[in-house]
Amino acid sequence: NAGVTQTPKFRVLKTGQSMTLLCAQDMNHEYMYWYRQDPGMGLRLIHYSVGEGTTAKGEVPDGYNVSRLKKQNFLLGLESAAPSQTSVYFCASSLRFPSNQPQHFGDGTRLSIL
Amino acid sequence: DQQVKQNSPSLSVQEGRISILNCDYTNSMFDYFLWYKKYPAEGPTFLISISSIKDKNEDGRFTVFLNKSAKHLSLHIVPSQPGDSAVYFCAATGTASKLTFGTGTRLQVTL
Repeated sequence: NAGVTQTPKFRVLKTGQSMTLLCAQDMNHEYMYWYRQDPGMGLRLIHYSVGEGTTAKGEVPDGYNVSRLKKQNFLLGLESAAPSQTSVYFCASSLRFPSNQPQHFGDGTRLSIL
Repeated sequence: DQQVKQNSPSLSVQEGRISILNCDYTNSMFDYFLWYKKYPAEGPTFLISISSIKDKNEDGRFTVFLNKSAKHLSLHIVPSQPGDSAVYFCAATGTASKLTFGTGTRLQVTL
């Protein structure tokens, strides 16, 4: 019963490097989300997807790109990492609209940019 | 512009007592509210929710109250247990396909 799985769990990057965070869900959910959590800031939405092949910008999309080529996967990319992107990243999914179905979260990816 | 606010970063309550966590919102288009609980090194987990057509929803030891005129909601935990020690996030949604989260309140339940 995996739910939402995030890969990797930890990563350290140098400024300017690129990387992709992978989120996979096995619940056949339509909606998927990427958040970042920073001290004192709560959870802020980066990008989200309401179905395979769709993506939309959230509250803090700059510096990130996403893709949803398969329904079960949602990828978050950093093309040129910056120290300001040091954060804990959470992926979430929900069956439908959040008010009908609560979001299920992964355990997070802790990313440090040096 | 913080549309969902949790003004208390932390709260300490004795075991067995009531814990009251508060949340305020500014967007009048929000019509559904949720509480999530988060332990260290884990993702948030859904706790309880309430629709704007109600003013109270109860689930075991957890009750959420909504005051639409004041744009305020609160989560009551009775009785509080040490396992309730966690960070609690309030979240809200309206017609958009996304949630807006508050900054969280860290609850410490002491023995």
